[in-house]
Amino acid sequence: AQSVSQHNHHVILSEAASLELGCNYSYGGTVNLFWYVQYPGQHLQLLLKYFSGDPLVKGIKGFEAEFIKSKFSFNLRKPSVQWSDTAEYFCAVILDSNYQLIWGAGTKLIIKP
Amino acid sequence: DVKVTQSSRYLVKRTGEKVFLECVQDMDHENMFWYRQDPGLGLRLIYFSYDVKMKEKGDIPEGYSVSREKKERFSLILESASTNQTSMYLCASILSGGNQPQHFGDGTRLSIL
Repeated sequence: AQSVSQHNHHVILSEAASLELGCNYSYGGTVNLFWYVQYPGQHLQLLLKYFSGDPLVKGIKGFEAEFIKSKFSFNLRKPSVQWSDTAEYFCAVILDSNYQLIWGAGTKLIIKP
Repeated sequence: DVKVTQSSRYLVKRTGEKVFLECVQDMDHENMFWYRQDPGLGLRLIYFSYDVKMKEKGDIPEGYSVSREKKERFSLILESASTNQTSMYLCASILSGGNQPQHFGDGTRLSIL
């Protein structure tokens, strides 16, 4: 069965540290890829998406992600995190076979004081 | 290879007892976590620690406390065990910084009678 794996349940960083959150999917066909963020007490919002073209995608708030097809990965990055980036981050994939949206389990990012 | 060791695989205690769950990691990780896993609820964070003597509440800290006197050891304490604390308890550790894998222990299945 197709799945989306996010490597960690929690990541802890200091302010100004660089961030990379892993996302891998298991599907050999064409995919559309998404990263969403959920800040405490708020709804999910879209950070960035990849449909086609340049595999390096830039999103809001300084986030970017790189689609590496050979590794089935779509890792999220930010060069320097801020306390306000404390949130839960979800990777999601749409398969071209059935347009089913498959979610990762989420990674909670904690920026320590 | 990182090793996260939980002191017991199975533990049976009585209501009202004080229960200690011990976790030791051997890779000098700054960050350690205690989760509980219940059917249909996934992993829920109880407490975490990002340095010796530092602790932060997770999502469900009520009825629990923790101790981190040494970097390698993170103890979970049930001050007065209750039957609703019957669960699988998982300890994890992670190095600070992005793209680091979170390492889990084998878990302790705790039954409170």
